[in-house]
Amino acid sequence: KAGVTQTPRYLIKTRGQQVTLSCSPISGHRSVSWYQQTPGQGLQFLFEYFSETQRNKGNFPGRFSGRQFSNSRSEMNVSTLELGDSALYLCASSPGADYLTDTQYFGPGTRLTVL
Amino acid sequence: AQSVAQPEDQVNVAEGNPLTVKCTYSVSGNPYLFWYVQYPNRGLQFLLKYITGDNLVKGSYGFEAEFNKSQTSFHLKKPSALVSDSALYFCAVRISSASKIIFGSGTRLSIRP
Repeated sequence: KAGVTQTPRYLIKTRGQQVTLSCSPISGHRSVSWYQQTPGQGLQFLFEYFSETQRNKGNFPGRFSGRQFSNSRSEMNVSTLELGDSALYLCASSPGADYLTDTQYFGPGTRLTVL
Repeated sequence: AQSVAQPEDQVNVAEGNPLTVKCTYSVSGNPYLFWYVQYPNRGLQFLLKYITGDNLVKGSYGFEAEFNKSQTSFHLKKPSALVSDSALYFCAVRISSASKIIFGSGTRLSIRP
């Protein structure tokens, strides 16, 4: 099976712009989760989508949003970018049946740099 | 507050020696524990998880971890380290009362030849 793919791999934006990141899960997986990884804050959970609905949400401002399509592909959007949004954004997919015990499979990430 | 701690930022081990990467947790309710590894410029790779049952869990690449409820720990171990094990290791926990997964801060494992 093909793994989780994320596009683009690298992105450079300026403050105030918005950005959309894309994630294609493993075939058959219905859950997609997004994470932000920074040297200072480590790995932080953004949100999780299951069957096109947001099932869980972390503690991020409303500038961070996402959606999931009927084919389970997911997009994450960040509006009004700030310097502190510079990070590696990771997407993970899982079968979705049991959020607590499912194994998540991660993509390679999108490296976002905000200038 | 729910939390996961990886008390060592870095662990250095000689190739062939046993290795341990420590993880402790503080949660209310039953924890579901995971270990992931991250290589440079890559996403996380799943190593193993504890859900229920046998406290000793075996995972990928020869790694294992022991769930210790009384000490609230889930240390990652390997009997004989390889240089290729050098990477960043994350412990994570999920609980039914929280809607998110909590990751530890990560431990950088360095195996010297």
